[in-house]
Amino acid sequence: SAVISQKPSRDICQRGTSLTIQCQVDSQVTMMFWYRQQPGQSLTLIATANQGSEATYESGFVIDKFPISRPNLTFSTLTVSNMSPEDSSIYLCSVGSDQNTEAFFGQGTRLTVV
Amino acid sequence: LAKTTQPISMDSYEGQEVNITCSHNNIATNDYITWYQQFPSQGPRFIIQGYKTKVTNEVASLFIPADRKSSTLSLPRVSLSDTAVYYCLVKSGGYNKLIFGAGTRLAVHP
Repeated sequence: SAVISQKPSRDICQRGTSLTIQCQVDSQVTMMFWYRQQPGQSLTLIATANQGSEATYESGFVIDKFPISRPNLTFSTLTVSNMSPEDSSIYLCSVGSDQNTEAFFGQGTRLTVV
Repeated sequence: LAKTTQPISMDSYEGQEVNITCSHNNIATNDYITWYQQFPSQGPRFIIQGYKTKVTNEVASLFIPADRKSSTLSLPRVSLSDTAVYYCLVKSGGYNKLIFGAGTRLAVHP
């Protein structure tokens, strides 16, 4: 199993500012993922955080808006840039390694943009 | 990745067995079927995964017919604490990217 710590757990931010969310895993993992979950909705994959290379973004998400870092096999950050109220969501970090193992999720970061 | 379709919501009562069926008509040979549970204000949690026939663990059973175009998650004797959203996902072999559908919101009543 993997234990994931996300920081902050919640934040209220002013529009136009940026917030960096941290994801720390208690073991080395190959794959790390960032999701967004808007109120009452399902999870939407933002990007795959690749260690040692640029993140791979899903359709509709761009690096300028959601820059991601993955400096090592246990840590990643997601930045939500130039925030607007539409960015108010829960952001979740997830880790997985191969087809036969389950994915683990952090508790999420609840972001409110005012 | 194959698209999944499942009921938006279900209601049940304590002590009953709940079966949630998911269709995944375009499932590929290397794909696995996996189910996750999500409580409010928490990240999803793995329940069960299977490739074919039947898989059972301490929490649930997963039934997959021979054509693998659907699957059924069975929760025996649900309790109020099983009230959650249940997601059916198809996972490609060798890569752990998960694409979530709408999920099934299960409400268990006293």
